[in-house]
Amino acid sequence: DGGITQSPKYLFRKEGQNVTLSCEQNLNHDAMYWYRQDPGQGLRLIYYSQIVNDFQKGDIAEGYSVSREKKESFPLTVTSAQKNPTAFYLCASSTAGANVLTFGAGSRLTVL
Amino acid sequence: AQSVSQHNHHVILSEAASLELGCNYSYGGTVNLFWYVQYPGQHLQLLLKYFSGDPLVKGIKGFEAEFIKSKFSFNLRKPSVQWSDTAEYFCAVNPQGYQKVTFGTGTKLQVIP
Repeated sequence: DGGITQSPKYLFRKEGQNVTLSCEQNLNHDAMYWYRQDPGQGLRLIYYSQIVNDFQKGDIAEGYSVSREKKESFPLTVTSAQKNPTAFYLCASSTAGANVLTFGAGSRLTVL
Repeated sequence: AQSVSQHNHHVILSEAASLELGCNYSYGGTVNLFWYVQYPGQHLQLLLKYFSGDPLVKGIKGFEAEFIKSKFSFNLRKPSVQWSDTAEYFCAVNPQGYQKVTFGTGTKLQVIP
């Protein structure tokens, strides 16, 4: 079945450590997205990528980094510069232009 | 830059009641509009979308939404809710020709049997 796989599902991190969240899709979608979901704040866009080797900052990119070396993969690194990293992170993908998003199951990051 | 407002944060209804969730967006150009739903423990999924044409769009599970361009609104409606509609509902906007998709803050709907 086609879909988006996010890993790990749960992750604990100590303050000051970087952590990378994985997102893989087998839908042959061109565009991929990372959102952060916090209670009462909805989904906020961190980064998105329209094609391989290209990505754009979203509304809350500070303290995060991404790469898009392969069409199928769009990993997100939460750096130690992110002041409030504890959150639920959602990866999504879409075909170019249609912008109907398919979401993964999410990764919950807790900073101890 | 576009933005989306959902004014109802938490709605509680009895089964068979009618539902209307508000969504307003700000953007000066042509947009695509979406409603997504997140059932407890499940992935976010598309409920319905509007790209162009008839401003009244129908989605899954009896939901519909009406695009009113003059009011920059895309309200979600259902004539009679069921307990299984308990979920969080998100409105989203995407300027046509661009890839960025912006979501609102969501509305939690609780349906009481």
